[in-house]
Amino acid sequence: NAGVMQNPRHLVRRRGQEARLRCSPMKGHSHVYWYRQLPEEGLKFMVYLQKENIIDESGMPKERFSAEFPKEGPSILRIQQVVRGDSAAYFCASSPSDFSYEQYFGPGTRLTVT
Amino acid sequence: GIQVEQSPPDLILQEGANSTLRCNFSDSVNNLQWFHQNPWGQLINLFYIPSGTKQNGRLSATTVATERYSLLYISSSQTTDSGVYFCGGGSYNQGGKLIFGQGTELSVKP
Repeated sequence: NAGVMQNPRHLVRRRGQEARLRCSPMKGHSHVYWYRQLPEEGLKFMVYLQKENIIDESGMPKERFSAEFPKEGPSILRIQQVVRGDSAAYFCASSPSDFSYEQYFGPGTRLTVT
Repeated sequence: GIQVEQSPPDLILQEGANSTLRCNFSDSVNNLQWFHQNPWGQLINLFYIPSGTKQNGRLSATTVATERYSLLYISSSQTTDSGVYFCGGGSYNQGGKLIFGQGTELSVKP
């Protein structure tokens, strides 16, 4: 059973470009969470999604950030018009169901904005 | 919202020593996990432990839910144990999202 997959592992963008981060949950998992880790800091919750639904986006910045988890395909975290402060590691985690919230983390995408 | 405090923030050990890491929560949690972030940045699941005690090799964890804390024990530490240890807690009625502490940075010297 493959783990949570994220791609790309490293992403470099110039200021003003768009960044798209992808997350494929573990097989059989229907819940996806995104977290951000700024340099030298802990992990901060961003958004929680189930298939085709955003359940909790209380940790998402109000502008430029969006997330989706379509019926088919991976979950996408999209950052428009990136700024240097967006440079961070973005982790995706998945959990199986409403009856188990144990989360399994992917390897992360390290975004660098130049 | 829930706040999570980890202690100590930093820890330096000689190989073979034992240690205890602590995680305090400001409110009740029913979703609690411990992770190890290795020097390459990967997050490794250690324990899912909303209550009780679990052991896995040289590592064990205890959560006392009524007193809102959890402990991670590392025995006979090895240099490969180095890295940052995070605890994360949450509530099922908030979708299980994890609120993380600032971590304990462990360095094990040979």
